Amino acid sequence: GQQLNQSPQSMFIQEGEDVSMNCTSSSIFNTWLWYKQDPGEGPVLLIALYKAGELTSNGRLTAQFGITRKDSFLNISASIPSDVGIYFCAGRLGTNAGKSTFGDGTTLTVKP
Amino acid sequence: EPEVTQTPSHQVTQMGQEVILRCVPISNHLYFYWYRQILGQKVEFLVSFYNNEISEKSEIFDDQFSVERPDGSNFTLKIRSTKLEDSAMYFCASSDSQPNEKLFFGSGTQLSVL
Repeated sequence: GQQLNQSPQSMFIQEGEDVSMNCTSSSIFNTWLWYKQDPGEGPVLLIALYKAGELTSNGRLTAQFGITRKDSFLNISASIPSDVGIYFCAGRLGTNAGKSTFGDGTTLTVKP
Repeated sequence: EPEVTQTPSHQVTQMGQEVILRCVPISNHLYFYWYRQILGQKVEFLVSFYNNEISEKSEIFDDQFSVERPDGSNFTLKIRSTKLEDSAMYFCASSDSQPNEKLFFGSGTQLSVL
C-alpha cells in the first residue's frame, strides 16, 4: 500500500516560534489533509488541499500541496501552548473521503 | 456543535471473545467509517459504510470484522474472535456527503485484549 513519511517525529519549541512539518510519499495523491489529535480525542481536520500547488491557510496554519503531488507541508506561525498535540498528514487518491493513508504523526510540544 | 459519540470509552476483553464497539454518528450524516490506531502508531482506515452496505474496506478488515447499522442512529463494529493484536484505539467517524473531507471523529474506544 501507499506509505507516507512524516517528519519530524517530534518537536519541542518555545511559545511564539514558528513550526514546520512535512509529509512525502512515493506515490501521488489527489488530496492532502492535515489533522490534529489531542490526547484522548479523535483527529480533527485542520486543512484540506485539493490541487497541486495549492496553498491554503486556516488562521495561523498554512499548508501546501506539493507540485509533484507527492508531498505536503504544514506551517504553524507564532505557536501557542494549545498547539500542543499530534499532527497527522493524510493523503487520498480515490473518491472515498474516508479512505486516507495517514502519516506517523508529528508530536508537538510548546513550552510557555 | 454536534458530535460523534462512542461507547464504551474503554473495553477490556479476553482473547477469543467477541466485542461490539458502538458509535452514534451525527444525525444527518450519511457516510460512516471505522479506523484504528495502535498505540504510538498511525491512524489506519478499516471500513467505510454508506446506504446500509460497506463501500470500501482495507486489508485489515478481514472476516473477523463486521459492521452494522442496526437502527437509525447506531453504527457498530464487531470483532468476532479478538486477538492480542486487535488491541488498539478504535475511532468512528461520519460525514454528511462525499467527497466532503470534513469527517467528524469520535473520541474513540480503547480496546485491550488480554
